[in-house]
Amino acid sequence: DQQVKQNSPSLSVQEGRISILNCDYTNSMFDYFLWYKKYPAEGPTFLISISSIKDKNEDGRFTVFLNKSAKHLSLHIVPSQPGDSAVYFCAARDAYSGAGSYQLTFGKGTKLSVIP
Amino acid sequence: EAGVTQFPSHSVIEKGQTVTLRCDPISGHDNLYWYRRVMGKEIKFLLHFVKESKQDESGMPNNRFLAERTGGTYSTLKVQPAELEDSGVYFCASSQGDRVNEQFFGPGTRLTVL
Repeated sequence: DQQVKQNSPSLSVQEGRISILNCDYTNSMFDYFLWYKKYPAEGPTFLISISSIKDKNEDGRFTVFLNKSAKHLSLHIVPSQPGDSAVYFCAARDAYSGAGSYQLTFGKGTKLSVIP
Repeated sequence: EAGVTQFPSHSVIEKGQTVTLRCDPISGHDNLYWYRRVMGKEIKFLLHFVKESKQDESGMPNNRFLAERTGGTYSTLKVQPAELEDSGVYFCASSQGDRVNEQFFGPGTRLTVL
C-alpha cells in the first residue's frame, strides 16, 4: 500500500502560469516532507522541504503548502518556465520508522510539461 | 563541491550472475542511502549507513543483496545471484549534519537482468 500518493501522472501548464503539483499521504507519523525534481537519466534533485510543524515554506518561485488535517501537500511553481519541465517526486520521512532512520518514502511522481 | 557519483551508469547481466554497484557520497557526508526504482513504480528505500554502520536495512528485499561501506567512505551494493525482478535504477544518496533530511542523489545505475 502506497503511503505517499501523487494521483496525477502528468500535468501540462503554459509558460508564465502557475503549476500546482499535489501529494497525499496516509501515514500520520510523517514529520518532514520534501519535493524532488528529476530530469531523464539523472538522479532526483532536492527542491524544497517543509517540516510538519509548518504549513508553508517558500523559496523563490517554489512554495510548498502542507495541510496536516487533510494529509495533503502541494508544490506551487510561479511563474512556470520551460526549464521546469521534469518529473516531480513528493517524499516524506517517518519520524518513528526506526531509531536514527532517515529513510524517505516517495510517491510515483508527476511529469510536468511547461509549454512555451 | 562534487556531487554523489555512481558507477557504472548502466549494467546488463544475465540471470544468475553477480553485479556490484558503487557509490561515492559527497565528501564529508556520514549518511549514505541506497534506493531502487523499478520501472513504473516509486523510488523505494533499501538501506541507510551512518559512516560504516548499517543504521537501517529494513528495505533490503532479500539476502541476495549485500551492501558494504568499509571505512565509512564509498559504498558497494552487490546482487548475487541476480534475478529478473532486480532490474531497475539503483540510486545512492547522501546527507549530513543539521540538514540530514535533505538527501542528495546520484545519477543512478540502471541495472538490466536478462
